Amino acid sequence: AQSVTQLDSQVPVFEEAPVELRCNYSSSVSVYLFWYVQYPNQGLQLLLKYLSGSTLVKGINGFEAEFNKSQTSFHLRKPSVHISDTAEYFCAVGLSGGYQKVTFGTGTKLQVIP
Amino acid sequence: DAGVTQSPTHLIKTRGQHVTLRCSPISGHKSVSWYQQVLGQGPQFIFQYYEKEERGRGNFPDRFSARQFPNYSSELNVNALLLGDSALYLCASGAGTSYEQYFGPGTRLTVT
Repeated sequence: AQSVTQLDSQVPVFEEAPVELRCNYSSSVSVYLFWYVQYPNQGLQLLLKYLSGSTLVKGINGFEAEFNKSQTSFHLRKPSVHISDTAEYFCAVGLSGGYQKVTFGTGTKLQVIP
Repeated sequence: DAGVTQSPTHLIKTRGQHVTLRCSPISGHKSVSWYQQVLGQGPQFIFQYYEKEERGRGNFPDRFSARQFPNYSSELNVNALLLGDSALYLCASGAGTSYEQYFGPGTRLTVT
């Protein structure tokens, strides 16, 4: 079975500073990896996904993530955050070749400080 | 185009009651998945339906059931509600076997 660990429950960062949200996964087979963002009282929005190919994935709103198979990581980065990036971010993993069951991490709350 | 829609938005039920939540996928999407998100946690997979057949089931008791209709909309039913069923229930739709899922705004269920 696959699992996801998000190492930080909360990350405060000043506006215009860079940020990295960490995600590690565990699986014995090939996986697909995702980052979702959830704004208060809303559903989840897909930021980016890794299915195959280039390990550096670019997403919406200036976010990017790098798939590192040897370290089983998929950290999310943004070079300069804005107040509007304040939200909760979820890393998720899905098994390749199976149905679309996606396992989510516990989330990281990003708080951007003016 | 309309995104994934869910109804109702909010719901308050009493322990022991039954609840039905509804989801309409994006037009053309044949896959619907249901997730439970308890406050402060990540979403937990409950069910996936594709072409009206159950494709996967998470670790939830038999009190939870679902179905998908010919128009690909879906219902999630929960019987004998417990206080611990209070959560945000999310529906996600997808096209075919793609892992790209689009989430609805959710239904907030409160059990008292």
